[in-house]
Amino acid sequence: AQKVTQAQTEISVVEKEDVTLDCVYETRDTTYYLFWYKQPPSGELVFLIRRNSFDEQNEISGRYSWNFQKSTSSFNFTITASQVVDSAVYFCALSEAKAAGNKLTFGGGTRVLVKP
Amino acid sequence: DSGVTQTPKHLITATGQRVTLRCSPRSGDLSVYWYQQSLDQGLQFLIQYYNGEERAKGNILERFSAQQFPDLHSELNLSSLELGDSALYFCASSAGLPHSDTQYFGPGTRLTVL
Repeated sequence: AQKVTQAQTEISVVEKEDVTLDCVYETRDTTYYLFWYKQPPSGELVFLIRRNSFDEQNEISGRYSWNFQKSTSSFNFTITASQVVDSAVYFCALSEAKAAGNKLTFGGGTRVLVKP
Repeated sequence: DSGVTQTPKHLITATGQRVTLRCSPRSGDLSVYWYQQSLDQGLQFLIQYYNGEERAKGNILERFSAQQFPDLHSELNLSSLELGDSALYFCASSAGLPHSDTQYFGPGTRLTVL
């Protein structure tokens, strides 16, 4: 069965500090997809990134970067030079190719609080 | 704005009642998903429809049912409501390509059962 663990429940930083969110996943499938979503205080879920299991290249998008390591089953997310607007709950999620449908299994989320 | 719409935004009702949540997917998306977000269970997958047909089912209670209509909008029906059904219910949509597409979420419907 698939499982996603986000061990950090809450992280508090001061603006301009870097923050790294950990995500560890479990799956028996060899083909799978990993996602990060952001849930700001307003409540909606905003898609940030999708990564395929066969593509281990790290990715950078502005102040956001992602480090995918199959060897440790981790897909970590770093916010560089954090800003107050980054305050949100961040969810890591997994979808297995062999599973029926495209359901997402979410981690418990990490709440990031960026203080000015 | 993801392009996925959900109505109503808030819903307050009493135990034992029945409610219907509505979702319109992004233009062109064939798949619709329902998720429940609660404090104790986190974000949980309920059910997926693809072009009107049920594609996958999660831990959806028997008191809950859903359908996707020919115009691709979807409804989630919750009946015999209990206090524990209070949660944020999200709808998401995707193109429906097998396993490789991204789900975009609506703003959610916050259900409060009193």
